[in-house]
Amino acid sequence: DARVTQTPRHKVTEMGQEVTMRCQPILGHNTVFWYRQTMMQGLELLAYFRNRAPLDDSGMPKDRFSAEMPDATLATLKIQPSEPRDSAVYFCASGLTGGRVTEAFFGQGTRLTVV
Amino acid sequence: QKEVEQNSGPLSVPEGAIASLNCTYSDRGSQSFFWYRQYSGKSPELIMFIYSNGDKEDGRFTAQLNKASQYVSLLIRDSQPSDSATYLCAVNEGTGGFKTIFGAGTRLFVKA
Repeated sequence: DARVTQTPRHKVTEMGQEVTMRCQPILGHNTVFWYRQTMMQGLELLAYFRNRAPLDDSGMPKDRFSAEMPDATLATLKIQPSEPRDSAVYFCASGLTGGRVTEAFFGQGTRLTVV
Repeated sequence: QKEVEQNSGPLSVPEGAIASLNCTYSDRGSQSFFWYRQYSGKSPELIMFIYSNGDKEDGRFTAQLNKASQYVSLLIRDSQPSDSATYLCAVNEGTGGFKTIFGAGTRLFVKA
């Protein structure tokens, strides 16, 4: 059963701490997206990679957020230092691009609470 | 700023009725269009995609696309209480990139 796997599912941390979220995309997918979802803003695209190369991270606060894809099976999103306003659900999605349509398949998300 | 607009709802329909969900987008070069369903506390799941003008049917769901009007819709026939969820419209940019932008979603309630 192919699916996107995210860890951890829940994270509570104190303001100022570093948070690392991990994502294992579906095997064979060449594109990975990171989204953040809040009640106020909905689903916001933070960054995405294609063939492990970062293509766009314009949606991400550069001073504290970083996204990497060290290999084809792992994508990471790091926040340092974390702030209460970063509290949200962070979704990773993967897809296969290059054809007519790119369908994005979502992981179950990491619910982050910064206190 | 490329945008995808949806009525936030809630949209309430009786069981068995047709639910009509609408979406407009600002980037005229957009190539493909998606409808996702998200149950409370869950992740979005893809229902349908469409990239040609006209209608595309899949079971009780019909997606409609009008590129001239920059308008996408989703019809749900014979609505069931299990269809109660938030429906997200998503648009894939058409400038050679692969960025997918989501609308804020429409909450649908189907009353038994």
